[in-house]
Amino acid sequence: AQRVTQPEKLLSVFKGAPVELKCNYSYSGSPELFWYVQYSRQRLQLLLRHISRESIKGFTADLNKGETSFHLKKPFAQEEDSAMYYCALESNAGNMLTFGGGTRLMVKP
Amino acid sequence: GAGVSQSPRYKVAKRGQDVALRCDPISGHVSLFWYQQALGQGPEFLTYFQNEAQLDKSGLPSDRFFAERPEGSVSTLKIQRTQQEDSAVYLCASSLGRLAGSTDTQYFGPGTRLTVL
Repeated sequence: AQRVTQPEKLLSVFKGAPVELKCNYSYSGSPELFWYVQYSRQRLQLLLRHISRESIKGFTADLNKGETSFHLKKPFAQEEDSAMYYCALESNAGNMLTFGGGTRLMVKP
Repeated sequence: GAGVSQSPRYKVAKRGQDVALRCDPISGHVSLFWYQQALGQGPEFLTYFQNEAQLDKSGLPSDRFFAERPEGSVSTLKIQRTQQEDSAVYLCASSLGRLAGSTDTQYFGPGTRLTVL
């Protein structure tokens, strides 16, 4: 069975500080991994996917198959980054997403 | 263009009542998904359609839950004899549908918050 774990429910940092939101997964095959973000009063939206190897809003995430992790990082947090962040896995056997429990990021001024 | 829309946005039901939640996917999107999000948790998969075919309903928690997409566009999630544990946000997502070797992105609606008293 596939599983996604986000160990931190809440992460609070000051503006300009580095941010790392942790995500670990368990899946026997070759997964596709995503980070979704939900800003206040907005819908869930895709932030980035590992296969694209892109940087969105200064965020990056590297898939580490050895550690089964896909941590989300940003070198300098901004107040507008405050939101709920969900890590998600898509198996190659189906299209549904398996989500972690989410981490609330609060960036203080 | 218009994104995924869901109605109603809020629904309060008395225990034992039947409810119907509607999802309007993005026009042309083949795939449609329903997720349930309990308070303080991540979304959990319920069911998946490709056009009008329900290809996976493994996440439906009981036979009180039923979903349909008869014309391959709008979908309805029906919950019969609601229970308090059904209280959650129900999210709908749609996507173009995966082609061989390609990636796919799910676009989410705003959700319907169901409260069962």
